[in-house]
Amino acid sequence: GQNIDQPTEMTATEGAIVQINCTYQTSGFNGLFWYQQHAGEAPTFLSYNVLDGLEEKGRFSSFLSRSKGYSYLLLKELQMKDSASYLCAVGNSWGKLQFGAGTQVVVTP
Amino acid sequence: GAGVSQTPSNKVTEKGKYVELRCDPISGHTALYWYRQSLGQGPEFLIYFQGTGAADDSGLPNDRFFAVRPEGSVSTLKIQRTERGDSAVYLCASSLEGAGTGELFFGEGSRLTVL
Repeated sequence: GQNIDQPTEMTATEGAIVQINCTYQTSGFNGLFWYQQHAGEAPTFLSYNVLDGLEEKGRFSSFLSRSKGYSYLLLKELQMKDSASYLCAVGNSWGKLQFGAGTQVVVTP
Repeated sequence: GAGVSQTPSNKVTEKGKYVELRCDPISGHTALYWYRQSLGQGPEFLIYFQGTGAADDSGLPNDRFFAVRPEGSVSTLKIQRTERGDSAVYLCASSLEGAGTGELFFGEGSRLTVL
């Protein structure tokens, strides 16, 4: 089975940086995914890490350490529209994703 | 279509009734997934189709739940004898090959409320 842990909620100010940590224990691993989900909307893909290290994509970066079962999503230059739930998910070889409960990020003015 | 389409967007039914939820994936996507999401939780895997066959149905909670994809495109999730605990948003997602390295494209979901 798999256990995926991430904080329930984080609050940060517009323009600041927030780091969302995710730890996982899994019996099969083929990548770590981050999805963004605004209230009442579908999850949308943000990033994918399969090798250790940092992947940078604009204001968002994602890091993976497979030996530690650890990932983080870094959101820089926060904007109000970044207020959403951020879902950490572990993928298996054929694309099945196991999701964490999500971290609600609240961006304040 | 341009994206994953799910109907109905909202369904209210009474306990014990039968419900069908439909998913129309992105054209050409061979892999299709059903997830269920309760308030404040992440999506929970239900079933995965590769083409017409259910490659993994280990997430279906019990035998009241069944899904089909007869022609390898549109899929229908069927719930018999609905219970209040079945209330959730049912999300459908598709991907190009189910290769595990790419993103899943999710639909907006079907919100099921069982009274």
